[in-house]
Amino acid sequence: GAGVSQSPSNKVTEKGKDVELRCDPISGHTALYWYRQSLGQGLEFLIYFQGNSAPDKSGLPSDRFSAERTGGSVSTLTIQRTQQEDSAVYLCASSFSPGLPRGNEQFFGPGTRLTVL
Amino acid sequence: GESVGLHLPTLSVQEGDNSIINCAYSNSASDYFIWYKQESGKGPQFIIDIRSNMDKRQGQRVTVLLNKTVKHLSLQIAATQPGDSAVYFCAENKGNTPLVFGKGTRLSVIA
Repeated sequence: GAGVSQSPSNKVTEKGKDVELRCDPISGHTALYWYRQSLGQGLEFLIYFQGNSAPDKSGLPSDRFSAERTGGSVSTLTIQRTQQEDSAVYLCASSFSPGLPRGNEQFFGPGTRLTVL
Repeated sequence: GESVGLHLPTLSVQEGDNSIINCAYSNSASDYFIWYKQESGKGPQFIIDIRSNMDKRQGQRVTVLLNKTVKHLSLQIAATQPGDSAVYFCAENKGNTPLVFGKGTRLSVIA
């Protein structure tokens, strides 16, 4: 597709369940980012993948959060044993390699709205 | 930790007037700055960016100003339109590090 896509667009789950959120980046983009946005708040960085390098996981709030990026393209963010405070919009972004021309510009997907009951 | 913040959380502007959205950053080493616009229910969209070797950059109806001396970034929107109503985020980084986003300013355009 032409842009970053995310699925599902909405996810309602019960406390304690695991959820998986998917991100399809723009073809050719080597960098992929996950952010969390709580209601009325800014973007909280979660994790960053760049090519084949080890991901930067410094923003993950707890060990219940993990992410994978298979084949350098699609990424899945997994939240285990969800809690009510995990309710937020989870945004994915991709970019060319940072440091290259236009590499700093991140293109965002529409997000997945997660509601934990 | 170092972060990017905003002076005002909300801004109301009359249609046709110019809007100025401000942003303060604390990392003096940052060399790249970017403004995003986020409409309700959508992901942020790129508006304009600027590198630290510049102090002004213009786009279509938008201008970004960078004052490195006081670590201040602003976004100016000329002739604000109802479609400009959104939350605006500034973000900054250095080199290959992830962007650090501010909390955002909600711009409301009064018709």
